[in-house]
Amino acid sequence: SAVISQKPSRDICQRGTSLTIQCQVDSQVTMMFWYRQQPGQSLTLIATANQGSEATYESGFVIDKFPISRPNLTFSTLTVSNMSPEDSSIYLCSVTYGQVSSYEQYFGPGTRLTVT
Amino acid sequence: GQQVMQIPQYQHVQEGEDFTTYCNSSTTLSNIQWYKQRPGGHPVFLIQLVKSGEVKKQKRLTFQFGEAKKNSSLHITATQTTDVGTYFCAGLPSGYSTLTFGKGTMLLVSP
Repeated sequence: SAVISQKPSRDICQRGTSLTIQCQVDSQVTMMFWYRQQPGQSLTLIATANQGSEATYESGFVIDKFPISRPNLTFSTLTVSNMSPEDSSIYLCSVTYGQVSSYEQYFGPGTRLTVT
Repeated sequence: GQQVMQIPQYQHVQEGEDFTTYCNSSTTLSNIQWYKQRPGGHPVFLIQLVKSGEVKKQKRLTFQFGEAKKNSSLHITATQTTDVGTYFCAGLPSGYSTLTFGKGTMLLVSP
């Protein structure tokens, strides 16, 4: 399985500011994703981070609000822009190995964001 | 859109009792995966089921994938306090490359 690290592990930010979250994996992976999890809720996929090209965003998420970079196969960043209290959540990086039809997905430890 | 329904939302059992959580998908799945999230932790991959009718066991945990590849279950025999957490199923719809997560079942186990 992958060793996934995320930075920062938590942060408290003021509304209107931006925060960039980093995800680093110890080996090359097939796919990288960014999820959001509200307290006590399920996981919501924000986007698929594509290496060398623009991320693929899910319905309800846009690049201007959540710009994503993936410069190589082991690293990605998610920026939460112009934050509001509604952005308070846990943001999780996730990676997969293997073929799409039978891959296993692993999650990073998450970044707990509070917007005041 | 793709939907994966999971029930129950919450269950509280006495240690030693059995526990089951169920998932149903609105569409046929290529595979279904199960995750466990401890309080304050992140989801941890448990298992993946790919074949129609597949049954897999991990010690006291039994996972099943339905014949139609639209439903799945996780059964825990003789729960222990270490089983506490939220169990999520996640389905990969046929033709898609991203998982759809159920809402999870929170399990509490009293000693």
